[in-house]
Amino acid sequence: EPEVTQTPSHQVTQMGQEVILRCVPISNHLYFYWYRQILGQKVEFLVSFYNNEISEKSEIFDDQFSVERPDGSNFTLKIRSTKLEDSAMYFCASAGQGLSGYTFGSGTRLTVV
Amino acid sequence: QQPVQSPQAVILREGEDAVINCSSSKALYSVHWYRQKHGEAPVFLMILLKGGEQKGHEKISASFNEKKQQSSLYLTASQLSYSGTYFCGTDPGGATNKLIFGTGTLLAVQP
Repeated sequence: EPEVTQTPSHQVTQMGQEVILRCVPISNHLYFYWYRQILGQKVEFLVSFYNNEISEKSEIFDDQFSVERPDGSNFTLKIRSTKLEDSAMYFCASAGQGLSGYTFGSGTRLTVV
Repeated sequence: QQPVQSPQAVILREGEDAVINCSSSKALYSVHWYRQKHGEAPVFLMILLKGGEQKGHEKISASFNEKKQQSSLYLTASQLSYSGTYFCGTDPGGATNKLIFGTGTLLAVQP
């Protein structure tokens, strides 16, 4: 079964530092997403990515966030200056065409101290 | 904007049935259902499209009332492995296939 791979699984960072969360989506998928989940609560949409550009972003996805697909396989989320409230589980997901659900990665637990 | 799920939590004995509801304030193109076990990623269960097409799980069924913007997930003869938090994800349509996830329903199946 194809998988979405995320690294690292855990990241602890100082407030104000930059972090990069990495994801390798399923190779033939076309749609890519980042979501976050705080303390097992609601799963919040951050950004969607299609055809090598951002297709939609939420209010949460402000100027401190950015996404890239630098080499056609990796999909990264960068947080430039982390805040305490950025502490959450960050999930990458990808989807194919048609009747296709999301496949989520196993997540990166980000802790900002 | 976030879809509302009910109930918030339910406890079952093995073999019992459960229904989880999802209600949106927006017109929907499709509804997805996911199950998340503690500390793990959500796992895709079902997708229901406007017009009745669906694809999903062999032991779980669902319905989608487009006019009422509601979906229900039916779990029959529950097993211990069904325990987890169930989320609906609603897609209003458009090019991004973005999902807005519901408030979640915690299901605990006991022996």
